[in-house]
Amino acid sequence: GDSVTQMEGPVTLSEEAFLTINCTYTATGYPSLFWYVQYPGEGLQLLLKATKADDKGSNKGFEATYRKETTSFHLEKGSVQVSDSAVYFCALSDLVSGGGADGLTFGKGTHLIIQP
Amino acid sequence: ETGVTQSPTHLIKTRGQQVTLRCSSQSGHNTVSWYQQALGQGPQFIFQYYREEENGRGNFPPRFSGLQFPNYSSELNVNALELDDSALYLCASSLGREINYGYTFGSGTRLTVV
Repeated sequence: GDSVTQMEGPVTLSEEAFLTINCTYTATGYPSLFWYVQYPGEGLQLLLKATKADDKGSNKGFEATYRKETTSFHLEKGSVQVSDSAVYFCALSDLVSGGGADGLTFGKGTHLIIQP
Repeated sequence: ETGVTQSPTHLIKTRGQQVTLRCSSQSGHNTVSWYQQALGQGPQFIFQYYREEENGRGNFPPRFSGLQFPNYSSELNVNALELDDSALYLCASSLGREINYGYTFGSGTRLTVV
């Protein structure tokens, strides 16, 4: 079945540091890939997405490129802020196996802590 | 526009009891999906409702059931509660069944089974 693997957290960085959160996936079809962010006490928010190989999703300074050859979708940001502290989830939707009706497959999440 | 609203925010139930969780979808959204998020884990897909019918289901037993109403709000019902059902239950609405429309998630209902 489909699966998503993320780097374990917590990841602790200083403000203005460069961020990478690794994400790799296994899917039977042609997945769309997503990054969601969850702030304390809130629901998940879509951060960015990519629907086909070599697509780059970007939002709020975050970027991730869909790499089919390495089955990866790593999240990057050039200069993190304290306000970026949250839990980040990588997710996929396998359109061949059922499209939206199969829902999203999430990784376990990576807790990011940014220190001033 | 209003977002996704879930109620209650917290709930404590005893093993063997039944529970109903509620979700009001974002204005204009006709599809609702439910997810279970255990502590320290990513959300797991329970099922999706589109125009009042179940449109897809994850690997959850039949004691997890749902409803969607004509106004697109939804309920999640869990019968014969087990300790492992303790989790954050998230509702997400979307404009259509196709997942690339994007979800709007609610803040969740924290269910504790004792």
